[in-house]
Amino acid sequence: NAGVTQTPKFRVLKTGQSMTLLCAQDMNHEYMYWYRQDPGMGLRLIHYSVGEGTTAKGEVPDGYNVSRLKKQNFLLGLESAAPSQTSVYFCASSYGGKATPPQYFGPGTRLLVL
Amino acid sequence: SQQGEEDPQALSIQEGENATMNCSYKTSINNLQWYRQNSGRGLVHLILIRSNEREKHSGRLRVTLDTSKKSSSLLITASRAADTASYFCATDPNAGNNRKLIWGLGTSLAVNP
Repeated sequence: NAGVTQTPKFRVLKTGQSMTLLCAQDMNHEYMYWYRQDPGMGLRLIHYSVGEGTTAKGEVPDGYNVSRLKKQNFLLGLESAAPSQTSVYFCASSYGGKATPPQYFGPGTRLLVL
Repeated sequence: SQQGEEDPQALSIQEGENATMNCSYKTSINNLQWYRQNSGRGLVHLILIRSNEREKHSGRLRVTLDTSKKSSSLLITASRAADTASYFCATDPNAGNNRKLIWGLGTSLAVNP
């Protein structure tokens, strides 16, 4: 099992460019999440999904879009990158349940927007 | 918004010593989870404690939960250099059905050989 994988590992963008971050999990998890982590800010939830075809906004959704067309994949899109989106992005997944279960994290994508 | 607040922000100890870090939160919860993050890596789940549990053990880890004080502590016994990492608490609020965790800002632990 590869667990949670993220592509790419590192990317440099110019302001205004677009890109898509891919998250894939092979654990048949229902829930998937996109976070960003900035120094001193901890983890902030961008968007999440509780099942194939569903998405919901998190704490900091502006400037990002997501899609979950297949259960194993969760895509995060930046339509027009801004320097404020320079961050480390983590994807996580978990199985479903009544209470929020433990999350399994990918290795992260480092994004630098110039 | 950040519900969990870890204390201290940073901790430096010698190998073999015990490390204790605390987490406080604001609302009632279903469970509280602790995670570890090594530098440059993703977070790894360590232990989950449910709201009706008071203490839980996993290897050298001991977690306590006091729901009356809305606080939890993580104790790492006989620390090793490999325990050097950031530790985060995350709470599952007992409000609604939204499947989101609320994260603290973390405690940075340095274990010196």
